[in-house]
Amino acid sequence: LAKTTQPISMDSYEGQEVNITCSHNNIATNDYITWYQQFPSQGPRFIIQGYKTKVTNEVASLFIPADRKSSTLSLPRVSLSDTAVYYCLVGDSDSNYQLIWGAGTKLIIKP
Amino acid sequence: NAGVTQTPKFQVLKTGQSMTLQCAQDMNHNSMYWYRQDPGMGLRLIYYSASEGTTDKGEVPNGYNVSRLNKREFSLRLESAAPSQTSVYFCASSYTGFRETQYFGPGTRLLVL
Repeated sequence: LAKTTQPISMDSYEGQEVNITCSHNNIATNDYITWYQQFPSQGPRFIIQGYKTKVTNEVASLFIPADRKSSTLSLPRVSLSDTAVYYCLVGDSDSNYQLIWGAGTKLIIKP
Repeated sequence: NAGVTQTPKFQVLKTGQSMTLQCAQDMNHNSMYWYRQDPGMGLRLIYYSASEGTTDKGEVPNGYNVSRLNKREFSLRLESAAPSQTSVYFCASSYTGFRETQYFGPGTRLLVL
């Protein structure tokens, strides 16, 4: 069963770059790595998805090393509005790649 | 384009009562999902519908039933509510399957007394 491990919480300051690392030691060959963001009292929102190396979009970057046993979500120049819970997800290849949701990382941005 | 909508937003039930949570999407997605989220925890999949006419159990299906009414609508029914079903329920949809981006509704907060 695919499982991820990420820090329970992190703090940072406005304007800083934030990196959240996730480990997924038993990721299957065909699994993608997906990150979602969730604000209080809202449903999760897709941020970024990748398979290997580096992926970048207008919101974040995702770095995946060659062994794919970990990944790092990078948020450039965060603001107070980036305070949220961030989930790192991999699909479970034994069950149609259902996403396994851990508790996520609660990111608090301070002024 | 409303995305994924859910009704009601909040509901209080007594133990043993039944209710149906409604979900609709206007993105022409094939796959729809029901999750529950307990305080401080991640989401857990209750049921999903890979395409119109099909439904499958997820991680925590006991005590729930679902109906994929048509391509747009996917309802979740609690036949006899229990306090353990107090949670926030999220509906989501994706174009095809779990690997595609899932779009979530605003959630339904359910309290079972």
